[in-house]
Amino acid sequence: QVQLVQSGTEVKEPGASVKVSCRASGYSFTSYYVHWVRQAPGQGPEWMGTIHPGGGTTTYAQRLQGRLTMTTDTSTSTVYMKLSSLRSEDTAVYYCARSMIVFVIASPYDYWGQGTLVTVSS
Amino acid sequence: DIQMTQSPSSLSASVGDRVTITCRASQGISNYLAWYQQKPTKVPKLLIYAASTLQSGVPSRFSGSGSGTEFTLTISSLQPEDVGTYYCQKYNSAPWTFGQGTKVEIK
Repeated sequence: QVQLVQSGTEVKEPGASVKVSCRASGYSFTSYYVHWVRQAPGQGPEWMGTIHPGGGTTTYAQRLQGRLTMTTDTSTSTVYMKLSSLRSEDTAVYYCARSMIVFVIASPYDYWGQGTLVTVSS
Repeated sequence: DIQMTQSPSSLSASVGDRVTITCRASQGISNYLAWYQQKPTKVPKLLIYAASTLQSGVPSRFSGSGSGTEFTLTISSLQPEDVGTYYCQKYNSAPWTFGQGTKVEIK
């Protein structure tokens, strides 16, 4: 069965970086786009960006450009999300999510990771 | 960027009631619209995609309609397990924006 398993809770100081992993299983890893979505406490989801695991092509939200980096490791079927220069407003649960339609970027998400809480605090 | 606006922001209805949630896009997005349900402390779950296609395994009391800029999610007979927050999302192109959510409670 399709699974997306994320790394564990992180606590970071302002100005630091965080790298969250999302290991995929149960499907052809290089065939489906993976998106990252975050959700601040009490808020709605916010799309952060997407990566094509096969080719490494990325698209980032404009407001996160320069701080956000998504990478992929096809040998372990893992996607990584690194956010740098952290500030308190980055405190949120971070999710990876798989596009539903093979090879199509314009697609909703059918499978989500369990979420990773990132807390930014001094 | 295209903005997604949901209404109402919250609602309270009785078991068995028909519930309707609206999502408006600031520009046309054809039918590239999905609805998700998120129960407290849980991961969002895809209910409907392509504005009106029911995701596999989702109860038939959920339905979606609309195209262009105005969309609706309808629960034909509200059940206790439907409590949660519902989000619309556009996915035609970046950014894949979500609405601000509609919290559904049982009266």
